[in-house]
Amino acid sequence: DTGVSQDPRHKITKRGQNVTFRCDPISEHNRLYWYRQTLGQGPEFLTYFQNEAQLEKSRLLSDRFSAERPKGSFSTLEIQRTEQGDSAMYLCASSFDQGPPLHFGNGTRLTVT
Amino acid sequence: TQLLEQSPQFLSIQEGENLTVYCNSSSVFSSLQWYRQEPGEGPVLLVTVVTGGEVKKLKRLTFQFGDARKDSSLHITAAQTGDTGLYLCAGENSGNTPLVFGKGTRLSVIA
Repeated sequence: DTGVSQDPRHKITKRGQNVTFRCDPISEHNRLYWYRQTLGQGPEFLTYFQNEAQLEKSRLLSDRFSAERPKGSFSTLEIQRTEQGDSAMYLCASSFDQGPPLHFGNGTRLTVT
Repeated sequence: TQLLEQSPQFLSIQEGENLTVYCNSSSVFSSLQWYRQEPGEGPVLLVTVVTGGEVKKLKRLTFQFGDARKDSSLHITAAQTGDTGLYLCAGENSGNTPLVFGKGTRLSVIA
């Protein structure tokens, strides 16, 4: 069990650029979640997958955000035309079915300048 | 939208002191989890409570789930500098809804 892996750990981009983050969950976990965390806040739910199916998306996930999990293994989160308000820590978590616990990665910290 | 209110937001105490932090909601949860998060890392699960009135102990940490399953508390006895971190509570309504997190209590234990 190597844990949940996220790449990159840090990303600095200019406003208007597109960015893509990757998450590799724990191998036997069929659920994968994306959360966003800003300074002084707890993680806010963005979306989750069961295997390759995207089952729920938060209203926080604007049209500029898209997430995929093509083979039910790793997932990508893409943000198009980044804005300064997108600056945050993007956390990925995985679990086996719906049960706790969620196993979190160490996140990708995005800074939009 | 289910909200979890955590208090206090910040807490700074001396090593050896006891403390309690709270997690409150107007909603009923099927389970409630406590996580601890350190800077630059993801949250790590401490405990899950499921039954109303349940008390769980993890070394110097005592977790309680309210009878009505709407609130929870975390008590730390004889705090140590290693307890410093962000303590998050998260509620689960049913198996198919994502966890809802509170904003956390940022604890600083000073030697």
